Amino acid sequence: DTAVSQTPKYLVTQMGNDKSIKCEQNLGHDTMYWYKQDSKKFLKIMFSYNNKELIINETVPNRFSPKSPDKAHLNLHINSLELGDSAVYFCASSQQGGSNQPQHFGDGTRLSIL
Amino acid sequence: DQQVKQNSPSLSVQEGRISILNCDYTNSMFDYFLWYKKYPAEGPTFLISISSIKDKNEDGRFTVFLNKSAKHLSLHIVPSQPGDSAVYFCAASHLYNQGGKLIFGQGTELSVKP
Repeated sequence: DTAVSQTPKYLVTQMGNDKSIKCEQNLGHDTMYWYKQDSKKFLKIMFSYNNKELIINETVPNRFSPKSPDKAHLNLHINSLELGDSAVYFCASSQQGGSNQPQHFGDGTRLSIL
Repeated sequence: DQQVKQNSPSLSVQEGRISILNCDYTNSMFDYFLWYKKYPAEGPTFLISISSIKDKNEDGRFTVFLNKSAKHLSLHIVPSQPGDSAVYFCAASHLYNQGGKLIFGQGTELSVKP
């Protein structure tokens, strides 16, 4: 009965590689998000999608490309991985972005760049 | 520019006593505030929220207080239990922001000792 699920949970890869992280929510929510938690533990929003449409793109490098095939899925593809991309990436969803509805988070994907 | 700040990185409390976690914000446009709880290797879990039209919201052992003039909110946990040991994040947004972006503080690690 997992609400927001991300795969993989851990991802270790070489600099310069391309990788994807998948996210799915079964809550029937309209809005999905990607957050990055850096080494200083700050959680910062990267992207927000509402019903498959991009709403927020927070000055994230072009190497990061989100894709939403339907409103229950928001995947994150990262090209040419760099050392600074090492972080924990969290997917989240909410009933409707911009309204006072709490966001529900997945358990995170721990990305380590060697 | 850190718009949401949690100035105490850690807090230690005895079981049964009150835990008070504090959060300050700088953006007067924020009108919705949330607290999340996070265990290691898991995603943040929504705990309680408050709208700016209120100054208090209570849910069981958890109460959030909002002081808009001071731009300060606090989370009270009474009585504290060992299972409450986790990192607590304060977050803020404003109703009409596009896409439901949450701005997070850096977290306070609560340790409740038996």
